[in-house]
Amino acid sequence: KQEVTQIPAALSVPEGENLVLNCSFTDSAIYNLQWFRQDPGKGLTSLLLIQSSQREQTSGRLNASLDKSSGRSTLYIAASQPGDSATYLCAGWGSARQLTFGSGTQLTVLP
Amino acid sequence: ETGVTQTPRHLVMGMTNKKSLKCEQHLGHNAMYWYKQSAKKPLELMFVYNFKEQTENNSVPSRFSPECPNSSHLFLHLHTLQPEDSALYLCASSQTQTSASSYEQYFGPGTRLTVT
Repeated sequence: KQEVTQIPAALSVPEGENLVLNCSFTDSAIYNLQWFRQDPGKGLTSLLLIQSSQREQTSGRLNASLDKSSGRSTLYIAASQPGDSATYLCAGWGSARQLTFGSGTQLTVLP
Repeated sequence: ETGVTQTPRHLVMGMTNKKSLKCEQHLGHNAMYWYKQSAKKPLELMFVYNFKEQTENNSVPSRFSPECPNSSHLFLHLHTLQPEDSALYLCASSQTQTSASSYEQYFGPGTRLTVT
């Protein structure tokens, strides 16, 4: 069964700092990995989707990478802003044909 | 309306009530999903429908009953719930769901359910 782990559980950084969020997964047969953002009490907003054949995806200040061999993905956020404060979730689609979610990293960007 | 919508946004119900959650997607997708998000726990997949056919039921208690009348609408019928069923219920959709490939999932805003 796929397991997805996110470290750290919470992170607080000053505005303007570059940061990296980590995600690890156990199913090497992963088809894709998706990063989401969730604001308190709200639904999920898809940020980036990386297919298994890709190494990374970029959208604006966000860059996500995928390394199937090591079972890891990272989300890089450049020049962080207070508006980036949210919980970031990674989810892998593997051989079980369903998205398995990590517990998330709660990010706070201090002005 | 665009994207994935869910109604109601908040619901308080007693353990003997019967209620339904509604989800509608305006993206032309063929797969729809129900997830449960409890405090301090990862999102849990409950049900999947692909082209109106249920393809996944992750050992969900029978007090939760899904219905998918067409590819755009998904319902979750609730009856005799327990307080531990209080959670955020999220609906999502994707282009389709197959074993050979996967597609980006788009989520609705969720229904915050409180069982008293």
